[in-house]
Amino acid sequence: NAGVTQTPKFRVLKTGQSMTLLCAQDMNHEYMYWYRQDPGMGLRLIHYSVGEGTTAKGEVPDGYNVSRLKKQNFLLGLESAAPSQTSVYFCASSYRGQGIAGELFFGEGSRLTVL
Amino acid sequence: GDSVTQMEGPVTLSEEAFLTINCTYTATGYPSLFWYVQYPGEGLQLLLKATKADDKGSNKGFEATYRKETTSFHLEKGSVQVSDSAVYFCALNNAGNMLTFGGGTRLMVKP
Repeated sequence: NAGVTQTPKFRVLKTGQSMTLLCAQDMNHEYMYWYRQDPGMGLRLIHYSVGEGTTAKGEVPDGYNVSRLKKQNFLLGLESAAPSQTSVYFCASSYRGQGIAGELFFGEGSRLTVL
Repeated sequence: GDSVTQMEGPVTLSEEAFLTINCTYTATGYPSLFWYVQYPGEGLQLLLKATKADDKGSNKGFEATYRKETTSFHLEKGSVQVSDSAVYFCALNNAGNMLTFGGGTRLMVKP
């Protein structure tokens, strides 16, 4: 029962470096999401995807790019990391949209520190 | 826009105490309401939900009632356990593709 798996779990970057977070789900879910979690601010949606080959902006998309080349994978990229992107990143997936019956399944999180 | 406000934590209780975590929301229309729980070192998981006014969601001894007149969805449990120590998030969905989360409330239960 892998569910939603995120890699890496921890990463330290220097300002200006780039990196990619990988999210993989084995539940055949159509929808996938990337959130960031900051103290006292709850979770904020960065980007999401409603199916293979599609992506859309969430609440805080600036400084991030995403790709959904395969249904089971959703990649989050930082092209030029900034200290403001220090956060815990969560990937989630759902069988349908976050509508009335929608339930999100979350990964364990990836802690990113940008120095 | 939509928003969710939760009481600030941490909430510290002794085992077997009664728990209330307040949640109020601002939204147009008729949103669905959720409580998610995050145990230490883990991702969030759905605890309970309610999809229309006066609905009561329940799971693992936790309950919350969708009160449209007061725009609230307070989480309650009659007798907390040490294993309930976690961060609790209230959230809403207003017929879109996004969940709007509150800031989270940390609960610490002491033996």
